[in-house]
Amino acid sequence: DAKTTQPNSMESNEEEPVHLPCNHSTISGTDYIHWYRQLPSQGPEYVIHGLTSNVNNRMASLAIAEDRKSSTLILHRATLRDAAVYYCILRDPWSSGGSNYKLTFGKGTLLTVNP
Amino acid sequence: EADIYQTPRYLVIGTGKKITLECSQTMGHDKMYWYQQDPGMELHLIHYSYGVNSTEKGDLSSESTVSRIRTEHFPLTLESARPSHTSQYLCASSREETQYFGPGTRLLVL
Repeated sequence: DAKTTQPNSMESNEEEPVHLPCNHSTISGTDYIHWYRQLPSQGPEYVIHGLTSNVNNRMASLAIAEDRKSSTLILHRATLRDAAVYYCILRDPWSSGGSNYKLTFGKGTLLTVNP
Repeated sequence: EADIYQTPRYLVIGTGKKITLECSQTMGHDKMYWYQQDPGMELHLIHYSYGVNSTEKGDLSSESTVSRIRTEHFPLTLESARPSHTSQYLCASSREETQYFGPGTRLLVL
């Protein structure tokens, strides 16, 4: 399985920026970097994904290192509702081959936001 | 906004009962997935489907079975529920790689 490494937990204060790191040194040239988050008692939700260039959407920004071996999810102003487990994921090919891929969720980073 | 639904949201049932967890999506996605997640633990893929009449087992072995007769439906069935099946079951769908998740079903088997 494609591997990512994230800190187990991080803490932030409300209305401050949060930078969530992810290492993916074995990434291949065509792998997108996906970020999901899971709020307490809910299913995961898509946050953002990117290939090489930095990406922005209404939820967050994704900064990708030039060598693509690491990336950082940026929440520009954390709110209490951003407290969640954040997953950084690379796609894995199915063992059966073909052009289909799966996403393997690891342990993620538990983000705590202090008021 | 994703439109994927799961019912029931919560289920408490006795050992030996047959149960079916429903999952439906209105986005026309070909790919659908079932994950299992225990409290505070990782999600584990237990079933997936590339399209109608296509189902495969996932990474985590599960005694459950699935079917995909229609694009929008991907029900999961346990023929004989046991306490070890107590968990949260999450359904997802995708067109390409981005997956959209339902709210989950919390199952408690007594």
